[in-house]
Amino acid sequence: GQQVMQIPQYQHVQEGEDFTTYCNSSTTLSNIQWYKQRPGGHPVFLIQLVKSGEVKKQKRLTFQFGEAKKNSSLHITATQTTDVGTYFCAGDGGSQGNLIFGKGTKLSVKP
Amino acid sequence: EPEVTQTPSHQVTQMGQEVILRCVPISNHLYFYWYRQILGQKVEFLVSFYNNEISEKSEIFDDQFSVERPDGSNFTLKIRSTKLEDSAMYFCASSQTGGSSPLHFGNGTRLTVT
Repeated sequence: GQQVMQIPQYQHVQEGEDFTTYCNSSTTLSNIQWYKQRPGGHPVFLIQLVKSGEVKKQKRLTFQFGEAKKNSSLHITATQTTDVGTYFCAGDGGSQGNLIFGKGTKLSVKP
Repeated sequence: EPEVTQTPSHQVTQMGQEVILRCVPISNHLYFYWYRQILGQKVEFLVSFYNNEISEKSEIFDDQFSVERPDGSNFTLKIRSTKLEDSAMYFCASSQTGGSSPLHFGNGTRLTVT
């Protein structure tokens, strides 16, 4: 079946350093979504990418969708302690919005 | 901002018992979902529900599981004859239009089967 793979599984950074997580799908996606889950919390929608090669920015976060629509990345510039959490990418698994989530990248930021 | 609400926040049950997890989706949303997350692992799709019937379900969602929308606001997940491996966080989610629209997750119910 369809798989969404995400690396790295864990990333420890010093506050102020950059962070990137990568997502790859075994199939071409119609769109990809990114979610953030704070420790003890629930996934919260960050952004959706739809177009091939699309790049979107949210303040210090930059999201990219690959040309082949099979991979994506999230880059955080100058991390802050508030960025701590697990970042999940999620690809469409069917017609009714059942998303297939990657395993997530758990980010810890040392002040 | 409207929220998806889930009750209870934590449910402890003995193996073999039945549990019902409750959710109130956002009021103008039409698509409802259950996901589960075993501690420290990824979020796994269980089932999607639209127009009072199941739209899609995963391999995890076997005969042990069922969903229901008993009234105009609640959306429930029933797990019959619980097993130890059913222990997980269960998230309800809703979306306005299904398809690729973003999911709004509730805070989850932590199910512990002993």
